[in-house]
Amino acid sequence: GDSVTQMEGPVTLSEEAFLTINCTYTATGYPSLFWYVQYPGEGLQLLLKATKADDKGSNKGFEATYRKETTSFHLEKGSVQVSDSAVYFCALSDRGGGTSYGKLTFGQGTILTVHP
Amino acid sequence: GAVVSQHPSRVICKSGTSVKIECRSLDFQATTMFWYRQFPKQSLMLMATSNEGSKATYEQGVEKDKFLINHASLTLSTLTVTSAHPEDSSFYICSARDWGWVPDTQYFGPGTRLTVL
Repeated sequence: GDSVTQMEGPVTLSEEAFLTINCTYTATGYPSLFWYVQYPGEGLQLLLKATKADDKGSNKGFEATYRKETTSFHLEKGSVQVSDSAVYFCALSDRGGGTSYGKLTFGQGTILTVHP
Repeated sequence: GAVVSQHPSRVICKSGTSVKIECRSLDFQATTMFWYRQFPKQSLMLMATSNEGSKATYEQGVEKDKFLINHASLTLSTLTVTSAHPEDSSFYICSARDWGWVPDTQYFGPGTRLTVL
């Protein structure tokens, strides 16, 4: 079945540091890939997405590129802020047919803490 | 756009009682909604897929008689935890899929914290 593996956290950075959170996936079809962010005490928010190979999703300074050859979707940001402290989830959506269509499979989540 | 609400945000109940959680899509129609459970510091576990006007599809290991799902309209799905026990205490999150806004994307509610005493 489909699976998503994220780098283990927690990740602790100083403000303005460079961020990379690794994400790799296993899927039988051609999934869409997502990064969701969960701020303390809140639900998940869509951060960015990519629907096909070589697509780059970007939002709020975060970027991730859909790499089919390495089955990866690593999240990057050039300069993090304290307000970026949250839990980040990588996910894929099965676009194959049948009852699994549209179901999201999540990675385990990575806790990011940014210090001033 | 694409806002999903949940009610209540927190609920505390006694063991053996039933609790209903509502999930609403506020500005779009959602033929499909999903219910997740999240344990502390862990990822989301999909419990079931709720389709408007038909029976929900439950994931393996999820008791359908314990977690009743009803998707009676295009903007409302409910999850009822029947005869709740302390081990049912968790963070329950719903999401809705909006084909008309950004296809193939789920929008999540803020979650409901259930505590069973």
